[in-house]
Amino acid sequence: DGGITQSPKYLFRKEGQNVTLSCEQNLNHDAMYWYRQDPGQGLRLIYYSQIVNDFQKGDIAEGYSVSREKKESFPLTVTSAQKNPTAFYLCASSAGPTGVDTQYFGPGTRLTVL
Amino acid sequence: QQQVKQSPQSLIVQKGGIPIINCAYENTAFDYFPWYQQFPGKGPALLIAIRPDVSEKKEGRFTISFNKSAKQFSLHIMDSQPGDSATYFCAASFGNQFYFGTGTSLTVIP
Repeated sequence: DGGITQSPKYLFRKEGQNVTLSCEQNLNHDAMYWYRQDPGQGLRLIYYSQIVNDFQKGDIAEGYSVSREKKESFPLTVTSAQKNPTAFYLCASSAGPTGVDTQYFGPGTRLTVL
Repeated sequence: QQQVKQSPQSLIVQKGGIPIINCAYENTAFDYFPWYQQFPGKGPALLIAIRPDVSEKKEGRFTISFNKSAKQFSLHIMDSQPGDSATYFCAASFGNQFYFGTGTSLTVIP
């Protein structure tokens, strides 16, 4: 059963803590993305990676960090430097330049700062 | 700068009506235009997509109309149902660069 999984579904963070959101895909996609979604707003790109061991900042990368050590995995760390991290976080993947350019999304992680 | 502009922000229709959501873009390098449907608390799901070499694509009750010269595209939902109530996003892409509209919240009243 192919797809994108994100965990946890809900995450609570105390101020000053770093937290890591997991994203795994078994679609054999080269490209992976992280978006932030706030209520009533669209999707804002945080980071993206087109290939293992390489990633680029999106529009709102400040306060976030990522790694891409494996093709299947693209974890996002929300650091204490992110001043307003409460949001819905979405991971996505696409085949990359050699494949169909449809982007597929995971089910999301809702992060709440206590 | 918003690469893809979407309107309206919200839309309410009666069951059986035909809601229309519009999007406009500026970058002529875009070569793929998908629409996504998102239910509350869920990730967006691909609904239908079109490339600029065709003017219309239909899948079931969902139709995309594409006007390349005007750099506009729209989603039509025929015979809308309460189960269609969701947020709809248009997007435009080239290569691995994806740009999303701000979303339209659709409510279909029984």
